[in-house]
Amino acid sequence: NAGVTQTPKFQVLKTGQSMTLQCAQDMNHNSMYWYRQDPGMGLRLIYYSASEGTTDKGEVPNGYNVSRLNKREFSLRLESAAPSQTSVYFCASFPDRGDRGYTFGSGTRLTVV
Amino acid sequence: SQKIEQNSEALNIQEGKTATLTCNYTNYSPAYLQWYRQDPGRGPVFLLLIRENEKEKRKERLKVTFDTTLKQSLFHITASQPADSATYLCALPFSGGYNKLIFGAGTRLAVHP
Repeated sequence: NAGVTQTPKFQVLKTGQSMTLQCAQDMNHNSMYWYRQDPGMGLRLIYYSASEGTTDKGEVPNGYNVSRLNKREFSLRLESAAPSQTSVYFCASFPDRGDRGYTFGSGTRLTVV
Repeated sequence: SQKIEQNSEALNIQEGKTATLTCNYTNYSPAYLQWYRQDPGRGPVFLLLIRENEKEKRKERLKVTFDTTLKQSLFHITASQPADSATYLCALPFSGGYNKLIFGAGTRLAVHP
């Protein structure tokens, strides 16, 4: 099925560990995004990529890095995880045209202990 | 800074009634506004987009209005069903970023039989 695939679905890290969240879309979209969602708060933009080869910071980029590996894949890396990064992370892509919205992945639930 | 406000209290309604959810925003004039549905443990799903020059948009049992003077959007679900129970998010593009979205925290709707 066409869409956005995120891996892993769940992860527990110890403080200071690193990990990479993977995201891939098969809809040929140019734009891709990483958001985090915390209870009682809206989705907050971490980083985005308007096209292959470009990335830009969003609202809450500190502690994260991203790579737009190719048009399909956009990964999010936590170099040294902190408890404040415990959250649900969503990747999304956008077709850039028309009256359509983002397509989101199913999310990665990350706990940092 | 831009801000989106959605009622944080859950909306409880009886099956068959019309549910109305509110989205208010401040500090700029967006070119469009979007509504998403999110079920527990899942990523948001795009429902509707309405542009600044459109007063109203409909899709099946859904209706969205966009009042740029009041800086408000209303989201209506007519003939509501228990299956409509979910959290509904509104989203606007960041000022200066046509394809970057800022999300409200969402309003949870519970439709009772």
